[in-house]
Amino acid sequence: DAGVIQSPRHEVTEMGQEVTLRCKPISGHNSLFWYRQTMMRGLELLIYFNNNVPIDDSGMPEDRFSAKMPNASFSTLKIQPSEPRDSAVYFCASCFTGSSGNTIYFGEGSWLTVV
Amino acid sequence: GDSVTQMEGPVTLSEEAFLTINCTYTATGYPSLFWYVQYPGEGLQLLLKATKADDKGSNKGFEATYRKETTSFHLEKGSVQVSDSAVYFCALKNGANNLFFGTGTRLTVIP
Repeated sequence: DAGVIQSPRHEVTEMGQEVTLRCKPISGHNSLFWYRQTMMRGLELLIYFNNNVPIDDSGMPEDRFSAKMPNASFSTLKIQPSEPRDSAVYFCASCFTGSSGNTIYFGEGSWLTVV
Repeated sequence: GDSVTQMEGPVTLSEEAFLTINCTYTATGYPSLFWYVQYPGEGLQLLLKATKADDKGSNKGFEATYRKETTSFHLEKGSVQVSDSAVYFCALKNGANNLFFGTGTRLTVIP
């Protein structure tokens, strides 16, 4: 079975450029999460979708960050303009919201470096 | 609010040593508890989970028991291997489907 698929796996970009990260959740899952991982802050939840609707975006750092989920099988996280402090690993995760015990599965991450 | 407190690392052990990584939680209601593992350069993988009090999760020789009385979910393994070197995250999932992670504990196992 395919897991959560993220692209690109690695990206190096210059400050000021737009970055778009993509995620395909596991088929049948109805919740999708975007996390950011850095050495300083650890794992941070950026935004959480349920049935394609953003439920909690309080973790989105600022207006430069935006996320969309146009359908159940695709989501994007966009940073415009990017800054060096955005360098991090961005994880997408998904689960089926049936009970609190349902496992959240993570993608392999998008490793972003902004120079 | 709900939260997870995890033992600070890093932890360095010799091969075949006993491992304990402490995890305690604060939650209202009845959360599910998880341990995730992150190997170098990879994403987070579920290691084990427990969904109610006194449940024991186990996988790959690792175990953790959901202790409601002490609000703990400590990770243990009787004999670690070099291949267990990774970062381990304790996590709590509440009824609102929110997942709270601990800060992670880096384990290094030396031959």
